[in-house]
Amino acid sequence: DSGVTQTPKHLITATGQRVTLRCSPRSGDLSVYWYQQSLDQGLQFLIQYYNGEERAKGNILERFSAQQFPDLHSELNLSSLELGDSALYFCASSVDPGGYGYTFGSGTRLTVV
Amino acid sequence: KNEVEQSPQNLTAQEGEFITINCSYSVGISALHWLQQHPGGGIVSLFMLSSGKKKHGRLIATINIQEKHSSLHITASHPRDSAVYICAVSTMDSNYQLIWGAGTKLIIKP
Repeated sequence: DSGVTQTPKHLITATGQRVTLRCSPRSGDLSVYWYQQSLDQGLQFLIQYYNGEERAKGNILERFSAQQFPDLHSELNLSSLELGDSALYFCASSVDPGGYGYTFGSGTRLTVV
Repeated sequence: KNEVEQSPQNLTAQEGEFITINCSYSVGISALHWLQQHPGGGIVSLFMLSSGKKKHGRLIATINIQEKHSSLHITASHPRDSAVYICAVSTMDSNYQLIWGAGTKLIIKP
């Protein structure tokens, strides 16, 4: 157990639907990062939060949004889902925004049918 | 040109062989990470380096800041080492993101 908890582990949903992925960072980590890994592609950075505030944005679609709550857990919301959104979504956390000591969760596998 | 280049892309070796995976980068970095991704998707952080060399079990990671190059070595390789190995760097300009290499797919045959 890395200390970063992602739920659910697997999710199957239909096109057009909306889903929420949840991430609880490792205890003491203030920074949460979301990544998307599509089939046969590398990890793409989506967004970072640090202590409740958005810190950096990557290749995140407008249909996607995220937030970090006061207890530091984060949620990634994906709406109007398309087949191409099927991917592994990883959450990682670190103690500071500098990225030292990333710890990754085990990921959520999203399948859009 | 990608900012982080890994080689080789694919590597198949026999059990027991000494494995080397290389990573070159073109940006100023604050740290370099080696990550392992097993079939099924889970990612494990192996090393974080900012200088020198680190060792954990049969894994050794080195970094040469002047040459902007890092290597991951596996001694006495075993089929359970089969995975994708990913090099990623944290940059000095934007310390909030990792820039990823494409990964090296390693297969160790018994």
